[in-house]
Amino acid sequence: AQSVTQPDIHITVSEGASLELRCNYSYGATPYLFWYVQSPGQGLQLLLKYFSGDTLVQGIKGFEAEFKRSQSSFNLRKPSVHWSDAAEYFCAVGPYSSASKIIFGSGTRLSIRP
Amino acid sequence: DAGITQSPRHKVTETGTPVTLRCHQTENHRYMYWYRQDPGHGLRLIHYSYGVKDTDKGEVSDGYSVSRSKTEDFLLTLESATSSQTSVYFCAISEEPGARDEQFFGPGTRLTVL
Repeated sequence: AQSVTQPDIHITVSEGASLELRCNYSYGATPYLFWYVQSPGQGLQLLLKYFSGDTLVQGIKGFEAEFKRSQSSFNLRKPSVHWSDAAEYFCAVGPYSSASKIIFGSGTRLSIRP
Repeated sequence: DAGITQSPRHKVTETGTPVTLRCHQTENHRYMYWYRQDPGHGLRLIHYSYGVKDTDKGEVSDGYSVSRSKTEDFLLTLESATSSQTSVYFCAISEEPGARDEQFFGPGTRLTVL
């Protein structure tokens, strides 16, 4: 079955510390992977996506993610978090051209400690 | 920001009543989606549309219907609301299906069914 697992429901990090949010997927075909961020009371915004090529993907707001096929993972990282990064983060996987098959993880809520 | 609005933004209704949520876009994107967001489940696709009068079911379509009579409007109807349909509903749009294109999300509608 196709699925996306975000094992951490809630993470708290100190401002200025590094961040890594975990995402594992199970997908039968070539995975196309995404990270979205949802600020409180807002819709989702795309941070970055991986289609092919370089396994280290750069996104907006200083985020990056690394695709590791052998580990079925697509972890999101940021070297130094800011208070404004407090939000919920969703990993997603989908096929290239099917509108109905993008699967979202359950999300990781990030809190920032001053 | 992509021009997507949702109305109403908040609604409280009673079990058994019909409810219609509206999504309006000004981007002229072909694809429109309705998702629901529940704690522990991330986003789940309810229905999507790939053109005027062209719609299809998503993962959790039971109890919901949709209509798209104009490119810019996508309506989600709960014919007889139940408490299990209490959720936050997000509309999204994209030019292309699946992973080919970014989905842009509206601000969400919080629906409470008493």
